[in-house]
Amino acid sequence: DAGITQSPRHKVTETGTPVTLRCHQTENHRYMYWYRQDPGHGLRLIHYSYGVKDTDKGEVSDGYSVSRSKTEDFLLTLESATSSQTSVYFCAIRTSGTSYNEQFFGPGTRLTVL
Amino acid sequence: AQSVTQLDSQVPVFEEAPVELRCNYSSSVSVYLFWYVQYPNQGLQLLLKYLSGSTLVKGINGFEAEFNKSQTSFHLRKPSVHISDTAEYFCAVLNNAGNMLTFGGGTRLMVKP
Repeated sequence: DAGITQSPRHKVTETGTPVTLRCHQTENHRYMYWYRQDPGHGLRLIHYSYGVKDTDKGEVSDGYSVSRSKTEDFLLTLESATSSQTSVYFCAIRTSGTSYNEQFFGPGTRLTVL
Repeated sequence: AQSVTQLDSQVPVFEEAPVELRCNYSSSVSVYLFWYVQYPNQGLQLLLKYLSGSTLVKGINGFEAEFNKSQTSFHLRKPSVHISDTAEYFCAVLNNAGNMLTFGGGTRLMVKP
C-alpha cells in the first residue's frame, strides 16, 4: 500500500468553515499529489508537490491550498469550504528510481460540505 | 493538453462472459498509459501499464490491454469475468514531463451472476 495514510477518513462540515486534510507517507517519496474524485469526472488533480515547500497547481486548484513542511506530510486546505467541494479526496505518491513514475494512492477522505 | 475518454460509463456483464472496457487518449508525444481499478470504498490500485515495447500488456487478475497507436486506444479486456471484478476502472495517461496523470471519467463494471 506504499505506506500512505489519510486523515480524517470522513468529515462533515458546514459551508464557510476551513478544512484541512492530511496525507502521510512513510517511504520518503519526493512527489505527492492531491486529487478529487467526482462521478463522471474520474480523478482530477488539485495540487502536487515535488519536494519540501515545492508545490504546483493542478487542473482544479481554485479554492484549495497546500503545504508541505516535511517530506512525509502533504496538507490540503479548503480555506472556506463550499458545497461544490463535497467530494472524495485521494492522496498519491509517485515512486522514484523508475522511468515511468508509477503512482500509488491512499484510501481516500470523504468530505461532505453542508 | 492530454485527455482520456472512457466511452462507457457502465458495463453490465454476466459472470464468466468476456468484457472489454474502452479507452481513447490524446497525447502529443510519448505515451505512457495506465489502467487502475477501484473496488467499493477503497483507493485506486494499479491494474497494468504500457510504457513501451509489446503492445499487448498483461496485468493482475487476468486483465490485459492492447495499445493501438493508430487508433489512439488502450482498451482493457478480460476473457472471463468473476463477480469479484465488480469495480470501477480508470484509464490514465502520463504527461510529457512524467509528473502528472490525466484520468478518464471511469467505467463501472457490474458483473451479474
